[in-house]
Amino acid sequence: SAVISQKPSRDICQRGTSLTIQCQVDSQVTMMFWYRQQPGQSLTLIATANQGSEATYESGFVIDKFPISRPNLTFSTLTVSNMSPEDSSIYLCSVEGTRGETQYFGPGTRLLVL
Amino acid sequence: QKEVEQNSGPLSVPEGAIASLNCTYSDRVSQSFFWYRQYSGKSPELIMSIYSNGDKEDGRFTAQLNKASQYVSLLIRDSQPSDSATYLCAVRALSAKYSGGSNYKLTFGKGTLLTVNP
Repeated sequence: SAVISQKPSRDICQRGTSLTIQCQVDSQVTMMFWYRQQPGQSLTLIATANQGSEATYESGFVIDKFPISRPNLTFSTLTVSNMSPEDSSIYLCSVEGTRGETQYFGPGTRLLVL
Repeated sequence: QKEVEQNSGPLSVPEGAIASLNCTYSDRVSQSFFWYRQYSGKSPELIMSIYSNGDKEDGRFTAQLNKASQYVSLLIRDSQPSDSATYLCAVRALSAKYSGGSNYKLTFGKGTLLTVNP
């Protein structure tokens, strides 16, 4: 499986500000995924990012709130914009396995919005 | 809305017992099924995958799939305290958001918290 790193690992932010989360993979991957895991909840897919195309967002998530970049095959960023306390969550990036059979997750970014 | 339901927890078993975790899914065209383990404060890690009906064994873990009943389960034999974690069922199916491609989406259940008591 790919080795995935995320930055920052955690942050405490003030409401109304924005935070950009970085996801780096040690190999080239076609698809990268961004998830949110709110306290005590399961994983919810925010969007899927293909290199060279616009990210595809799931219902309930919009580009203005969660802009995503995918400049190359090993890197992606997710920005959480105009944050409110409801955005406090763990944000995880993931990539598909080499055979496309499943997904492997990064360590996550723990965000607290005050 | 494609759904994945897991048996509500928390589940508590004594050390050495068999832990049984269950999952049902609503999308009949789902193709692949996975169990992830998530320790508190950590990200999910894949422990089992199953693609066809029947049982698949890997060490102390056995995944069972019944596509007709839209049911998948995970059995953990000889449970150890180190197995204490939240177990997430995930189902992979072709996403309706994509046309002309083969982009798949994982849908996760809410998870079952397992505690193995020494």
